Amino acid sequence: DIVMTQTPLSLSVTPGQAASISCRSSQSLLYSDGKTYLYWNLQKPGQSPQLLIYEVSNRFSGVPDRFSGSGSGTNFTLKISRVEAEDVGVYYCMQSRQRPSFGQGTKLEIK
Amino acid sequence: EVQVVESGGGLVQPGGSLRLSCVVSGFSISSSWMKWVRQAPGKGLEWVAGIKQDGSEKSYVDSVKGRFTISRDNANNSLYLQMSSLRADDTAVYYCATWSTWGQGTLVTVSS
Repeated sequence: DIVMTQTPLSLSVTPGQAASISCRSSQSLLYSDGKTYLYWNLQKPGQSPQLLIYEVSNRFSGVPDRFSGSGSGTNFTLKISRVEAEDVGVYYCMQSRQRPSFGQGTKLEIK
Repeated sequence: EVQVVESGGGLVQPGGSLRLSCVVSGFSISSSWMKWVRQAPGKGLEWVAGIKQDGSEKSYVDSVKGRFTISRDNANNSLYLQMSSLRADDTAVYYCATWSTWGQGTLVTVSS
């Protein structure tokens, strides 16, 4: 099974500043169809998770462009260019290259 | 707008059974792998089971193999999770999800 490792596990950011979360997989997430099956989800307090980014770098419908995803193979990054108060919550990376698995989650709070 | 609505959660004794249901509107599930994901109290997300578009492939996390069964009814845009031999560590909020959209979850509590 593929193990997903996120760093850091918590993040405190001043509004307007940038934030970055790293996600590493124990195996390459590149599939034979040329796609890389890495997703980013955000779980806001008291809510269910919501999809932010799919296949490494594609923003899902309605996701603000301050969110961006990058990476390849086994190393991936989610960046928030200018953090806003509504961005608080826990961010999870997820792979579906094989049986899906999630990272431990990164809790983002506002300073 | 895509909506995902789970139901069927509740309190069940250890060793008991429960069937979760999920209905999707605004999106045809026949085009998507579907999955169940759970979240134990205060913990992170754990993928539980997935099923291919036509139901021909199913997969499970090791801890539920032989106890849980995932199924789908594309005609009724519905997903199911039959859970048996439930244990205390199955206590969690269970989410149904398409490739992109999650439901609000249904709470399963296993306790005597």
